[in-house]
Amino acid sequence: AQSVTQLDSHVSVSEGTPVLLRCNYSSSYSPSLFWYVQHPNKGLQLLLKYTSAATLVKGINGFEAEFKKSETSFHLTKPSAHMSDAAEYFCVVSVENTGGFKTIFGAGTRLFVKA
Amino acid sequence: GAVVSQHPSRVICKSGTSVKIECRSLDFQATTMFWYRQFPKQSLMLMATSNEGSKATYEQGVEKDKFLINHASLTLSTLTVTSAHPEDSSFYICSARDVASGDTDTQYFGPGTRLTVL
Repeated sequence: AQSVTQLDSHVSVSEGTPVLLRCNYSSSYSPSLFWYVQHPNKGLQLLLKYTSAATLVKGINGFEAEFKKSETSFHLTKPSAHMSDAAEYFCVVSVENTGGFKTIFGAGTRLFVKA
Repeated sequence: GAVVSQHPSRVICKSGTSVKIECRSLDFQATTMFWYRQFPKQSLMLMATSNEGSKATYEQGVEKDKFLINHASLTLSTLTVTSAHPEDSSFYICSARDVASGDTDTQYFGPGTRLTVL
């Protein structure tokens, strides 16, 4: 079975300071891991994706995430927050096997950026 | 990159009427599309998987007769909310995979449709 836990429902940072959004997962199979961002009343935009290549994945808008198998974590980071980063962030696990294609969404983390 | 569109972006309807929402893959063909529902301040909930040329696969607890899905072509899936009621008010989002590109597990999401039933 697969599951995704986003450890913080809300994160608040000041503009220019680092961002850390935490995600832990569990999967019986080799999963693909994603981070998506959702701005209010918008669809989801892909930030980055991990498959099985490099454990440090670079995404758009300066975001990156590190896959740590031993910790079953896939935390999202950004060195310096910008006001436009304020949004909802979803950690997602996808698995495709004989049972079909399954996607599990985390509950989401709301990022607030203070001026 | 792969682009998915939805129409309309917002719709307001009276209770008892039916509403159709379109999901299109603009620059790729999608044999499979997914329909999600999102309540305020919550995550996405998968409603059904739309399969081109065959019946949709619904998740447990989703009424097939209430949420009709048609995937008539490789670029278009429609979700019809029949006899809508206020409790059907929600944000509906579709997604698709560009399997032909070789990236079989990345979903590309539409911008969503805000349905309000009065």
